[in-house]
Amino acid sequence: RKEVEQDPGPFNVPEGATVAFNCTYSNSASQSFFWYRQDCRKEPKLLMSVYSSGNEDGRFTAQLNRASQYISLLIRDSKLSDSATYLCVVNSGGYQKVTFGTGTKLQVIP
Amino acid sequence: SAVISQKPSRDICQRGTSLTIQCQVDSQVTMMFWYRQQPGQSLTLIATANQGSEATYESGFVIDKFPISRPNLTFSTLTVSNMSPEDSSIYLCSVDGGPVLPYEQYFGPGTRLTVT
Repeated sequence: RKEVEQDPGPFNVPEGATVAFNCTYSNSASQSFFWYRQDCRKEPKLLMSVYSSGNEDGRFTAQLNRASQYISLLIRDSKLSDSATYLCVVNSGGYQKVTFGTGTKLQVIP
Repeated sequence: SAVISQKPSRDICQRGTSLTIQCQVDSQVTMMFWYRQQPGQSLTLIATANQGSEATYESGFVIDKFPISRPNLTFSTLTVSNMSPEDSSIYLCSVDGGPVLPYEQYFGPGTRLTVT
């Protein structure tokens, strides 16, 4: 089983739609979780951290389910500019070591 | 977050040659990391560049192929040696968010390498 698994997509959604991605992780000892956004031919950029209690940043909501070992990202009212690949990142043990998922591609269409 | 620059931004190299990629950070950082992102794939950590000691390599990566320098707290280089087409990839350096946010990673713009 991969350390971090994501559905590669693509998810094609109309503008204004709500879309959710899940990401599963295998290391039950993982403590830190993140969502990154990567635009085509650009470097990944931190979108948001995922806290145990769940957290929201504008249209974006991230949640953690430790029992089932997955994190989720919900995007409400999708914009064309949300089109990107969303990478799930989990700390993989060892100080500052993280593992990246393969990413979920989102395409928001007019 | 730190501002990170990389040089070159892209290069096309012949097999058997070597390329050195530079990474410059605008502030002193303890840890710097080198990642590879092959076409259509996610990021794979190559090594952690430690100032004052040898780099720490991940499984599948060796110093002879990817020598790393870290002469000070703001600069690092990664060399891709004896290149083959399989080394065609984007190479990214990153730094973490410091002692308060050690697992957050901030990336340079990447170096797009094509080996012919």
